[in-house]
Amino acid sequence: EVQLVESGGGEVRPGESLRLSCTASGFTFDAHGMTWVRQAPGKGLEWVSGVNWNGRTTGHSDSVKGRFTISRDNARNSLFLQMNSLRVDDTAIYYCARAITVTAVVGFDYWGQGTLVTVSS
Amino acid sequence: QSALTQPRSVSGSPGQSVTISCTGTSNDIGSYDYNYVSWYQQYPGKAPKVMIYDVSNRPSGVSNRFSGSKSGNTASLTISGLQAEDEADYYCCSYAGNYTQLFGGGTKLTV
Repeated sequence: EVQLVESGGGEVRPGESLRLSCTASGFTFDAHGMTWVRQAPGKGLEWVSGVNWNGRTTGHSDSVKGRFTISRDNARNSLFLQMNSLRVDDTAIYYCARAITVTAVVGFDYWGQGTLVTVSS
Repeated sequence: QSALTQPRSVSGSPGQSVTISCTGTSNDIGSYDYNYVSWYQQYPGKAPKVMIYDVSNRPSGVSNRFSGSKSGNTASLTISGLQAEDEADYYCCSYAGNYTQLFGGGTKLTV
C-alpha cells in the first residue's frame, strides 16, 4: 500500500525556518517525481515545489522561490522542503504528493494527509 | 505566474452532466509542447484525489463518468450521470514550463 506521511509542521514566527519531511513507503520511491502542494485555511490548492526522480531537476513557485528548497533522499525514501524566511501568508496545510511518472510535471496520484504550518507573530 | 481560471461554482441534478472549465494561457494549458493538465477532486478536510491526468487519461479506479479534454487555452472536466457523491471541490492543474505547475482557483460542485 502506497503511503506518504508528512511531518515537521508547527507554529513559528515570521522570519523563522522549518524543514518538512515526507516519508514514503509501499512503492519504488526513485521511480517517481515528487511535489509539495499547500492549501491555506479555507482556500484553494497552490503548487509549491517539485523534484524529479533523482533530485537533479527542481522547480519552485514564484511565491516561494529563493526561500524554499525541495530535495529528496532516495536511500531514505524521503522528500524534504526547507522553508526559510517564513511569512504569515505561508500558513497552510502542506501536502506531499507522488507524481505519476519519473518527472514531476504530470499528475499526482498519491497524497499524504498533510502537515499544518502556522506562521504568526 | 497567475492561477488558472475556473468558475467558482457549478451545479447539476442527479443523472445530469456538468462541465467545469479551466482557462489558462499559451504558456501553460495552450502550450504546443506539452499536454500536462490534471484534475483533482477534494472533499472537505481530505487530501485531493486525481481524477484525470495528461488532459484526458483516467487513473485506474476512477469512474468513466469523468472525462477530460482541451481546446486552445481551455481545459474541461465533464462529469456525466451526476451522483450525490460527486459533490466536492474540483481543481485543474497545468504544467507551466521550467518545472513549475499552476492550479486553478477551484470549483465547488453542488449536486
